Amino acid sequence: DTEVTQTPKHLVMGMTNKKSLKCEQHMGHRAMYWYKQKAKKPPELMFVYSYEKLSINESVPSRFSPECPNSSLLNLHLHALQPEDSALYLCASSVAGVRFTEQFFGPGTRLTVL
Amino acid sequence: DAKTTQPNSMESNEEEPVHLPCNHSTISGTDYIHWYRQLPSQGPEYVIHGLTSNVNNRMASLAIAEDRKSSTLILHRATLRDAAVYYCILRVYNNAGNMLTFGGGTRLMVKP
Repeated sequence: DTEVTQTPKHLVMGMTNKKSLKCEQHMGHRAMYWYKQKAKKPPELMFVYSYEKLSINESVPSRFSPECPNSSLLNLHLHALQPEDSALYLCASSVAGVRFTEQFFGPGTRLTVL
Repeated sequence: DAKTTQPNSMESNEEEPVHLPCNHSTISGTDYIHWYRQLPSQGPEYVIHGLTSNVNNRMASLAIAEDRKSSTLILHRATLRDAAVYYCILRVYNNAGNMLTFGGGTRLMVKP
């Protein structure tokens, strides 16, 4: 199974809502990533988890809160978002602790903030 | 961080070879060159990677210049399914993890 699944596929939320994005993989990968992709732009790294610990935070605003409850799951909790946060949110996973490793991406969650 | 430069778009005919160029003049000696592609409505997928030597796999070939300041992704016979945005990436690795810094990418259009 080389699949990364993301739910929901689409999400519409208001600026005062709290919602969560979920990502799951069963490849035994111990590194997981969140990327943000605006329309017609390349993906931008947000967070990296390595062995369930946050290892990289690319200066992401605190209204985005990642969580890695176990080695298969990665969540992104959203609160008080702005309309400019509307984007495709991509999750990826890879083997951890090695210099080269292919990242496997999910299909993304398309988020619209009203 | 070293950056990559790619043409915004390219066009190809189906079943013809495609050469996608990438410039990375500030590459360091330990940077690997990676290519990912993103098909419409999908997440990116790995295509190929290399350090110094040319590389082949079932999807494509990667030709790396001797001075490593440029590289070319070669699709030997383009199909309609190869229409995608192709990203050339210099891989940064540190103790915190692997980071992919995507450049602008090349949108490949394949004509039947």
